[in-house]
Amino acid sequence: NAGVTQTPKFRVLKTGQSMTLLCAQDMNHEYMYWYRQDPGMGLRLIHYSVGEGTTAKGEVPDGYNVSRLKKQNFLLGLESAAPSQTSVYFCASRRTSGGAFSYNEQFFGPGTRLTVL
Amino acid sequence: DQQVKQNSPSLSVQEGRISILNCDYTNSMFDYFLWYKKYPAEGPTFLISISSIKDKNEDGRFTVFLNKSAKHLSLHIVPSQPGDSAVYFCAAISGNTPLVFGKGTRLSVIA
Repeated sequence: NAGVTQTPKFRVLKTGQSMTLLCAQDMNHEYMYWYRQDPGMGLRLIHYSVGEGTTAKGEVPDGYNVSRLKKQNFLLGLESAAPSQTSVYFCASRRTSGGAFSYNEQFFGPGTRLTVL
Repeated sequence: DQQVKQNSPSLSVQEGRISILNCDYTNSMFDYFLWYKKYPAEGPTFLISISSIKDKNEDGRFTVFLNKSAKHLSLHIVPSQPGDSAVYFCAAISGNTPLVFGKGTRLSVIA
């Protein structure tokens, strides 16, 4: 199993350009997430999905869009990149939990380092 | 408003000694807590977790303690090893809502 993979690993954009980050998981997980990590800010949730065809906003959704057309893929789009979106982006996935006081581990991808000039 | 707080951005510990990383939370509805470890240029990896109905969980050198009345949890690493040098994130969850992460603590274990 490859686990969670992210494409690309690095990218440099100019302000105003658009791009799509791809996340793929081969564990048949229902839930998928996109985070950004900035120095001193920890991991902040951008958008997430609880199943194929569903998406929901997280803590910092502005400037991003997502789609989950297939269960194994979760795409993060930047329509018009801004320097404030320079960050490291992590995708994660997990199975639905079994019930109260239980939790299934969330697996992370290796990250995409994005620089917006 | 931060629901999960890690008030120490960094911690240095001598090899072989105990490392104690702390985490406070404000949401009394959290029912599960986790610690993730992150090396540079890698994604976070799960380390250890604890349900809110327990007060301790141990896995080898790693032990997590939960004090619900104080809304506080801690991660103990004994003995600390240079390979433990990483950023540690505390996280909490309520039901099937997304994990809420703290800002992380950078642990340096000095040989």
